[in-house]
Parts: sequence; C-alpha cells; structure tokens
Amino acid sequence: EIVLTQSPGTLSLSPGERATLSCRASQSFSSSYLTWYQQKPGQAPRLLIYGASSRATGIPDRFSGSGSGTDFTLTISRLEPEDFAVYYCQHYGISPPYTFGQGTKLEIK
Amino acid sequence: QVQLVESGGGVVQPGGSLRLSCVASGFTFNSHGMHWVRQSPGKGLEWVAFIWYDGRNEYYADSVKGRFTISRDNSKNTLYLQMNSLIFEDTAVYYCAKKGVGWGGFDYWGQGTLVTVSA
Repeated sequence: EIVLTQSPGTLSLSPGERATLSCRASQSFSSSYLTWYQQKPGQAPRLLIYGASSRATGIPDRFSGSGSGTDFTLTISRLEPEDFAVYYCQHYGISPPYTFGQGTKLEIK
Repeated sequence: QVQLVESGGGVVQPGGSLRLSCVASGFTFNSHGMHWVRQSPGKGLEWVAFIWYDGRNEYYADSVKGRFTISRDNSKNTLYLQMNSLIFEDTAVYYCAKKGVGWGGFDYWGQGTLVTVSA
C-alpha cells in the first residue's frame, strides 16, 4: 500500500500570496495516478487536479499540479479568499486501496 | 447536473448494522464505477469501497473487509453500503463519489451522511 505524506500540516498565508503544497509517496508511481482535492468546512471534497497536472472542470487556472515519481506539488499562484481550505492528495492507481494523504490546512495569516 | 444524495445514516450500537443509500442523477449511472469514502470527525479522508459500473467487481479497504458490502441497483440509479458488525471506529461521515473517466479521480461527491456508533 502506498502511503502519502503531505507537508506542511498547516500553511499560513495571506490573500495574493503563492501557496506550495507537497505530497510525498512511500514508493514511486505514475503521475497519472495522483489526484488533488479541496475540502472546505462542512462540505464534501471537490476534485481539483487529476493525473498530477490536469485541472478538473471549472477549476481556475491559478491552481496547478506538478511532479513525478514520489514527489508531487500543488501550487496556487495567487491566493483568493475562497482558496483557504484543506487539501488532500490521493493515489488513485490501477488497483485499490486508493489512499489519501493526511491533508494540508491552508489558513489565512 | 450531477447529483449524489446519500441517506441512511444515524446512531447505531456497536455490533449493529446500517444500510446507506446514494441516489444518483444527472449522468448515466450504469456507465460509471462508484465509491464510498468516509471521514471521521475532525480527521482526513479514507477510501472505503468501490464497485464497477455493472456491479461485477467490488473492492474494499482492509478496515471494512468482511463487514461492509457495496452494491448497486442500476435500475434505480442507487448505490448502497451495507455495514455490519459496526465498531466505534466506523463513526464518520460517509460520502458516495462517482468515478471519473479513466484515472480522472472522484469527480463528483454527495453531501455525506453521518454514521455514529455509540453505546
């Protein structure tokens, strides 16, 4: 089973700043299998990025994903007030389990 | 638009059973695999189970294997999760989620239903 470790646990930034969130895997896998979600309090998660770098429908282009092997990154170029939330990466491979990272909380500084 | 609406959550004693439902609309239900994902209070996301579009194959997390059963009724556009032998650690919000095309993640989620296992 692949274990995903996200860092930092909490990231404190101001609107307009750039956010960089990390997701590190316990073993290498195809970037096709890396997915990112955003979750706001009291809401269901929302798909942001799939295949490590492809934005889901309706996701603004300030969100971008990158990486390969064991190291993946979600970048938000200029933070908007609605971007403050918890972000999860996920290994969504050929076969289960489809593990999630523990999440990074992006909070307003 | 795609909608997923879960129901069936509630309070149950340890060792008890509960069946969750997820009614889907806005897409061709019988063409897509479906997942259940849970989230314990204040915690992260845990994938629970997956079923193929036609119901022929099912997969489970080790934490629920042998106790939970995922199923679907394509004639009713409904996904189910039968939960037996419930334990305290099963307390969580349970979400159903639609499988995206290819490796496109879980592209739509329901609002979730809360299951509380308590004596």
